[in-house]
Amino acid sequence: AQKVTQAQTEISVVEKEDVTLDCVYETRDTTYYLFWYKQPPSGELVFLIRRNSFDEQNEISGRYSWNFQKSTSSFNFTITASQVVDSAVYFCALSVNTGFQKLVFGTGTRLLVSP
Amino acid sequence: EPEVTQTPSHQVTQMGQEVILRCVPISNHLYFYWYRQILGQKVEFLVSFYNNEISEKSEIFDDQFSVERPDGSNFTLKIRSTKLEDSAMYFCASKTTGQGALNTEAFFGQGTRLTVV
Repeated sequence: AQKVTQAQTEISVVEKEDVTLDCVYETRDTTYYLFWYKQPPSGELVFLIRRNSFDEQNEISGRYSWNFQKSTSSFNFTITASQVVDSAVYFCALSVNTGFQKLVFGTGTRLLVSP
Repeated sequence: EPEVTQTPSHQVTQMGQEVILRCVPISNHLYFYWYRQILGQKVEFLVSFYNNEISEKSEIFDDQFSVERPDGSNFTLKIRSTKLEDSAMYFCASKTTGQGALNTEAFFGQGTRLTVV
């Protein structure tokens, strides 16, 4: 079975601070995919990134960066110079390459960025 | 940009009534899903649908739930006899196939908030 743990329930920062959201996953499958989704106050789920288990290269997209470390089963997400618009709930999710790739979500981290 | 569309955005129903939640997936996608998010909790998988049949379902997806793709574009979730605990946000998602394997990102609709009173 797969499991995703997001230990941080809520994080509050002031605008322009950097913030890292932690994600730890469990799976016995050797091929798997990790995702981050953003859920703004309006409620929709917005895809941010997908990473497969064979690619441990870190990725940067603007102010967002992701650190994937198989050795610690972690896929952390950093927002640099946070902005008020980053306020949302962020979900880490995992799927494996068997069956029909359902997503297993973590419990989410609520990020509050104040001006 | 193509998107997954869900209707209605909010539905209020009386306990015991049947509801149908509707979704229009992205047109070239082949895999369809329903997820549920009880208020303030995590998103939970309900069911996946491929090639006109259920491919996987969770323990939550019991006999009161059913899914259908009636006309090749819509994808519906029916709850036969709603209970108070069915109150949640229901998300539809779709995805296409990836190169050589099946894993690409799922695109989610904006959700239907179901309130059972």
